[in-house]
Amino acid sequence: ILNVEQSPQSLHVQEGDSTNFTCSFPSSNFYALHWYRWETAKSPEALFVMTLNGDEKKKGRISATLNTKEGYSYLYIKGSQPEDSATYLCALRYNFNKFYFGSGTKLNVKP
Amino acid sequence: NAGVTQTPKFQVLKTGQSMTLQCAQDMNHNSMYWYRQDPGMGLRLIYYSASEGTTDKGEVPNGYNVSRLNKREFSLRLESAAPSQTSVYFCASSETNWQGNTEAFFGQGTRLTVV
Repeated sequence: ILNVEQSPQSLHVQEGDSTNFTCSFPSSNFYALHWYRWETAKSPEALFVMTLNGDEKKKGRISATLNTKEGYSYLYIKGSQPEDSATYLCALRYNFNKFYFGSGTKLNVKP
Repeated sequence: NAGVTQTPKFQVLKTGQSMTLQCAQDMNHNSMYWYRQDPGMGLRLIYYSASEGTTDKGEVPNGYNVSRLNKREFSLRLESAAPSQTSVYFCASSETNWQGNTEAFFGQGTRLTVV
C-alpha cells in the first residue's frame, strides 16, 4: 500500500484567484502520476498523466508539474472560475496497472 | 459510448444481507477495478482484475468477493453486509494505449447504505 497524500484537504478561493495544491508520495519506482477532476455526483475524469521527472502538462488554465526525486506533484489553476469547483484527485500508478489515490483537494470557487 | 456502467445506483441493505454490485465496460479494456470512497479517505482499492480470468486483492478486500465474468464484466459481492461497508462504490477500467499511457475510466458510482 502506497501513501499518497494531498494538501490542502479543502480550499476556498474567489473567482479570478490563482491557486495550487500538492500531491506527495514516496519517491519509489512507479509508472505514472495521474490527476483527476471529480465533480459532485459525477465520476472522476482524467486531467493529466505524467511519468518523467520534470514533466509539465497544461490544459487551458490548469497545469501540473512532477518531481519524482523529491516525491511531489503540483496542480495549478490560473484565474479560477466557479466551474473549476470540484475535488482534484491525485493517483500514483504502481505495479503497471494499480492506481493508489490520495484523498483529494476539494476546491470551491466563489463568484 | 456507455463507457463504464454500474448498477444499482443506490441500495439500502440490512446488516447480514448479501448483494452483488454489477459493472460492465464497453471499451474492450483488460483491467478493471472496484474502489470504495469514504469521506476524507479518497478512493481505496478493494479488488482489481488485470485481465479476464485473474483477480487480485487491493488495500481493503475484507468482506468482499469479486468475479471477472468475462472481459466486459466485473462484479463485487458482499456476502454479509456490515454497517462499516456503507460507502460509495466505484468501478473503473483501464487500458494502455500505443503510447504507453494508461488511463482509468470510472462508472457513476453506487451509494450503498447498510443499516
